[in-house]
Amino acid sequence: DAGITQSPRYKITETGRQVTLMCHQTWSHSYMFWYRQDLGHGLRLIYYSAAADITDKGEVPDGYVVSRSKTENFPLTLESATRSQTSVYFCASSEAGTANQPQHFGDGTRLSIL
Amino acid sequence: GNSVTQMEGPVTLSEEAFLTINCTYTATGYPSLFWYVQYPGEGLQLLLKATKADDKGSNKGFEATYRKETTSFHLEKGSVQVSDSAVYFCALYSSASKIIFGSGTRLSIRP
Repeated sequence: DAGITQSPRYKITETGRQVTLMCHQTWSHSYMFWYRQDLGHGLRLIYYSAAADITDKGEVPDGYVVSRSKTENFPLTLESATRSQTSVYFCASSEAGTANQPQHFGDGTRLSIL
Repeated sequence: GNSVTQMEGPVTLSEEAFLTINCTYTATGYPSLFWYVQYPGEGLQLLLKATKADDKGSNKGFEATYRKETTSFHLEKGSVQVSDSAVYFCALYSSASKIIFGSGTRLSIRP
């Protein structure tokens, strides 16, 4: 089915471990985004990508790494997880940027770091 | 910089009540404005949008009007249903396809 899928849906890990969250979209959208959602903060942008091999920092990039070797995939890696990175992570995509294009969201990954 | 402020929740209403969720924004120029909805366990979905001043976005009985005089984009619905229970986010288009979201308002509807 066409859409945007995230995996895993749930993940528990320990501080200091590396963890990668996957995001895959089937629309061939140019733009992809990673957000984290925390109580009282709404959604905060971590990283975004305008096309394959083009990525840029968002509002809260520290502690995260992204790559985009293919248009359809945009993995997010926590190189050494910390408890403050416990959150719900959402991936989104949109067509080439004009103001009228909405972002389409995945169902999220709930990440707990012990 | 650009920002969005929306009313804090939670908001609890009875079925068939009138709904208003307030949203105001600060922005350079006149960016497109959005309302997104998040149902339990799901990602955000676009509910409606308005691209210029005085535009009214509407969908599923919800409406919002882009008011540049008051820099507002309040969400309204005349008669809410239990199925409208969700978290609602006001948002504005920033740049390079980025969107700035408000902190969200949780809405609960009692049968």
